[in-house]
Amino acid sequence: QVQLQESGPGLVKPSETLSLTCTVSGSAISDYSWNWIRQSPGKGLEWIGYIFYSGSTDYDPSLKSRVTISVDTSKNQVSLKMRSVTAADTAVYYCAREGRSSGYDWLDPWGQGTLVTVSS
Amino acid sequence: DIQMTQSPSSLSASVGDRVTITCRASQSISNYLNWYQQKPGKAPKLLIYAASSLQSGVPSRFSGSGSGTDFTLTINSLQLEDFATYYCQQSYSTPTTFGQGTNLEIK
Repeated sequence: QVQLQESGPGLVKPSETLSLTCTVSGSAISDYSWNWIRQSPGKGLEWIGYIFYSGSTDYDPSLKSRVTISVDTSKNQVSLKMRSVTAADTAVYYCAREGRSSGYDWLDPWGQGTLVTVSS
Repeated sequence: DIQMTQSPSSLSASVGDRVTITCRASQSISNYLNWYQQKPGKAPKLLIYAASSLQSGVPSRFSGSGSGTDFTLTINSLQLEDFATYYCQQSYSTPTTFGQGTNLEIK
């Protein structure tokens, strides 16, 4: 059974860097894309970006200048860094595996999510 | 970006009812449309992918249809555990985008 677990600080100061890790169990990082999505009351579900196990990435254009997603295949982990955070970045952050078949793709499974609050 | 609009935003129904949730894309997305269920404090769970394919383990009372810009999620014979928030997601183009959600409440 594939399980994803997000971890990282629950409180980040404005202008600092948010750093989260998604640890994957029950599935190798290889051969999949791994996504970060966040959810805040004001904006619903918002896709942040993804990384393919080979290292290729894609990001939402609105966040691209502040976000880096990386993968550590030896630890079976995917990481998210978001720089220069503001209160608007307060959200529950999820990682999710991208499933794919016959040209279609979807997000499954998801981690349980971790709440990150940006506040001084 | 492709905008996804769900209707209604909220819906009240009773156990045993049949309900339909609609999702409209701002441009044609063929059938690159997924549906998720989210319960309070939990992560979204995939129900339907490619507009009408039922994810393994999801009860058959859930079904999806549509193509192009208009899609529906239908739940037949509502069960207590179905009261949740439902989201559509387009996977036609990057960035992938989600609808704003439909909150299904008990009447």
